[in-house]
Amino acid sequence: NAGVMQNPRHLVRRRGQEARLRCSPMKGHSHVYWYRQLPEEGLKFMVYLQKENIIDESGMPKERFSAEFPKEGPSILRIQQVVRGDSAAYFCASSPQAGPGLATYNEQFFGPGTRLTVL
Amino acid sequence: DAKTTQPPSMDCAEGRAANLPCNHSTISGNEYVYWYRQIHSQGPQYIIHGLKNNETNEMASLIITEDRKSSTLILPHATLRDTAVYYCIVRVSGTYKYIFGTGTRLKVLA
Repeated sequence: NAGVMQNPRHLVRRRGQEARLRCSPMKGHSHVYWYRQLPEEGLKFMVYLQKENIIDESGMPKERFSAEFPKEGPSILRIQQVVRGDSAAYFCASSPQAGPGLATYNEQFFGPGTRLTVL
Repeated sequence: DAKTTQPPSMDCAEGRAANLPCNHSTISGNEYVYWYRQIHSQGPQYIIHGLKNNETNEMASLIITEDRKSSTLILPHATLRDTAVYYCIVRVSGTYKYIFGTGTRLKVLA
């Protein structure tokens, strides 16, 4: 059973370009989280998605960032008009379908991350 | 908002127990405490979770205080491969937002 896959593993963009980061969850998992990690810092929650739905995007910057998780295919984190401050490691995690409500245990399985460098 | 506080770094001798503390005084009554670790710059790896009772699995033990405001992760016999950054994580109540904090960098010494 393959784990969470992310590609590309490394991505270099110039300021003003677009970055697209892809995440394929584990088989059978319908929930995806995206996190950003700056050097020497912990992971920061960005967004939580289920298939075709954004459930919680409270950690996403209001501009230039968007995420989707279509019915078919990987989840995509899209950063438009990148700036140097977007340079970071971006991790996605997947989890199996959560139980009812929020008060449930929810183990997340993380991918290897995409390291974005903005020149 | 939910928050976790951990010491920035710790050393532990190989073969000894490593005790990693975490303060999560703002945790809500029905939220779990999770522990993950990150080796080098890889994706975080799940270790253990708990709600109220102490927990143990093949990797570690988790001791949660009665008031749930703090917990301690115990690696009973640390090995060099346990060198990593350890994160204590809680979720913001009523959301799906998980708070990682800055973690503890554990160095296991030979």
